[in-house]
Amino acid sequence: QIQLVQSGGEVKKPGASVKVSCKASGYTSTSYSFTWVRQAPGQGLEWVGWISAYNGNTKYAQNLQGRVTVTTDTSTGTAYMELWSLRSDDTAAYYCATASIYGVYGFDVWGQGTMVTVSS
Amino acid sequence: QSALTQPRSVSGSPGQSVTISCTGTSSDVGGYNYVSWYQQHPGKVPKLMIYDVSKRPSGVPERFSGSKSGNTASLTISGLQAEDEADYYCCSYAGSYVIFGGGTKLTVL
Repeated sequence: QIQLVQSGGEVKKPGASVKVSCKASGYTSTSYSFTWVRQAPGQGLEWVGWISAYNGNTKYAQNLQGRVTVTTDTSTGTAYMELWSLRSDDTAAYYCATASIYGVYGFDVWGQGTMVTVSS
Repeated sequence: QSALTQPRSVSGSPGQSVTISCTGTSSDVGGYNYVSWYQQHPGKVPKLMIYDVSKRPSGVPERFSGSKSGNTASLTISGLQAEDEADYYCCSYAGSYVIFGGGTKLTVL
């Protein structure tokens, strides 16, 4: 059973950048695509972006296009989400997730979440 | 990329049934059979309850069911139990991105 373990919380100043990692363990295949989702305090879930394990193709939320990059290191089974030019409304818990066995868009495995706080 | 539309809250008594709607467009909910539903208890990680419109992952009670008609998907919870009280989010593939609903708070009276 795959598990996702994310890096620890971050506090950043406006304008800075943050890179969150998501390491997969307990699996035998490297063919997992990763999705990133964020949740601002007291708010709903917001899709951030996605990277294909097969060809490295990426897709991003329109409102974050140009400020976010999702990458993956298949040798270590680790995915990364980097967000630039941070603003206060980027303050949120950032989750990585994957669809391990339930179709392509059934995200059944989630990381524990990484809180990113943007504050001056 | 506007969020899918869900009611902000629904409620029901133990044993009753409730249905949560999720309205999108022909470009997302109506265009693909890739609607999923997530349950989130306060302070917890989202949990997959339904995928591909109506399929239930292993371990999810049969009380949870999903369906879709046109641009609206629905999650029905029958035989409500106290532990079902949580936030529920729908999610749909939309061709070049994924979109979530705004979330629905389910209160078990």
